[in-house]
Amino acid sequence: DTEVTQTPKHLVMGMTNKKSLKCEQHMGHRAMYWYKQKAKKPPELMFVYSYEKLSINESVPSRFSPECPNSSLLNLHLHALQPEDSALYLCASSQPGRTSGANVLTFGAGSRLTVL
Amino acid sequence: GESVGLHLPTLSVQEGDNSIINCAYSNSASDYFIWYKQESGKGPQFIIDIRSNMDKRQGQRVTVLLNKTVKHLSLQIAATQPGDSAVYFCAEGGSYIPTFGRGTSLIVHP
Repeated sequence: DTEVTQTPKHLVMGMTNKKSLKCEQHMGHRAMYWYKQKAKKPPELMFVYSYEKLSINESVPSRFSPECPNSSLLNLHLHALQPEDSALYLCASSQPGRTSGANVLTFGAGSRLTVL
Repeated sequence: GESVGLHLPTLSVQEGDNSIINCAYSNSASDYFIWYKQESGKGPQFIIDIRSNMDKRQGQRVTVLLNKTVKHLSLQIAATQPGDSAVYFCAEGGSYIPTFGRGTSLIVHP
């Protein structure tokens, strides 16, 4: 299995809603990532988990709350979002560290989020 | 901070032509580079990578060239096909987390 699966594919939520994005991989990767991508822009790193521990938080607002329940799952909990948070949210995984090929990320198809 | 950028935001080619997508980087310590392809509605997909101890690497229909002197790399796609239409990102992967460049949209006309 060489896939990263993200659900839901599309999500529309109001600014007072609480929702979650989910990501799953079964490649044995021990690093997992959340990226935010606006239209016609490169992906922007939000969070990195390495061995199920949060290792990088790129100064993301607290209305985004990541969670890594186990080595295969990564969640992004959303609460009190703003319309400018509308974007494609990409999950990725890789082997951690800097061995050969370690920095090659496998991405999911993304969750398209619209905040009304 | 350091940046990875692209020269052309959009490249239009005819089917069968060769395509060249360019990328400039500014971190002279970068030792690893990756090209990703992102098709509409999908996440980025790995195409090819190259380490700084090489100046050329070939894959199937794709070649990456690295010029460390001018901090430039390029992705060459031979006999471009409509399925190659996508946004192409170069990423500097020498640090633990890859840094993505601006992206080039490749449009292939049949």
